[in-house]
Amino acid sequence: ETGVTQSPTHLIKTRGQQVTLRCSSQSGHNTVSWYQQALGQGPQFIFQYYREEENGRGNFPPRFSGLQFPNYSSELNVNALELDDSALYLCASSLQRPNVTQYFGPGTRLTVL
Amino acid sequence: RKEVEQDPGPFNVPEGATVAFNCTYSNSASQSFFWYRQDCRKEPKLLMSVYSSGNEDGRFTAQLNRASQYISLLIRDSKLSDSATYLCVVWGGAGGFKTIFGAGTRLFVKA
Repeated sequence: ETGVTQSPTHLIKTRGQQVTLRCSSQSGHNTVSWYQQALGQGPQFIFQYYREEENGRGNFPPRFSGLQFPNYSSELNVNALELDDSALYLCASSLQRPNVTQYFGPGTRLTVL
Repeated sequence: RKEVEQDPGPFNVPEGATVAFNCTYSNSASQSFFWYRQDCRKEPKLLMSVYSSGNEDGRFTAQLNRASQYISLLIRDSKLSDSATYLCVVWGGAGGFKTIFGAGTRLFVKA
């Protein structure tokens, strides 16, 4: 096990609702990255947080937002949910440096109806 | 053009076969390169980092050609347990702290 935990494991929402997903990073890791993985696709980078600041973002609209807390755990918030937001949401923790291994949590499977 | 492109797959091979995965990336400023493995309905796990000099870990060999912006993974003597999706991953570059995954190539190893 990686020591990265995510909650909840599954979630069902309806269009227009808001959702908050949570991630606890591995002990000693100061960086958390969030990814969206649609069925049959590779994970798509949403954003990365380092020491409570967003320091990298992929091509996702502003309704995808996040937070990192002093203990380096993190939240992903998605507002105004759309059907296409249905996916597996993965968080990964790491140290902030190049060529570093990212350790993934088991993911949260979000279904938007 | 996708930032990271992989062979679409799936690859179906018998046990003991040698299989090669190819990957190209578009951002010449990319700094780090990896292969991850993802089992069905599980999270991705690091298989190996990829270095310009090439590196080997048991039956797995990874190569990087920066001039051609090309990454490869070779699996020798395939085992049933190698069946998974293999994800090519690129980090960094002009976009800063971004990690880009390819779509993955599915491998089925059959007895």
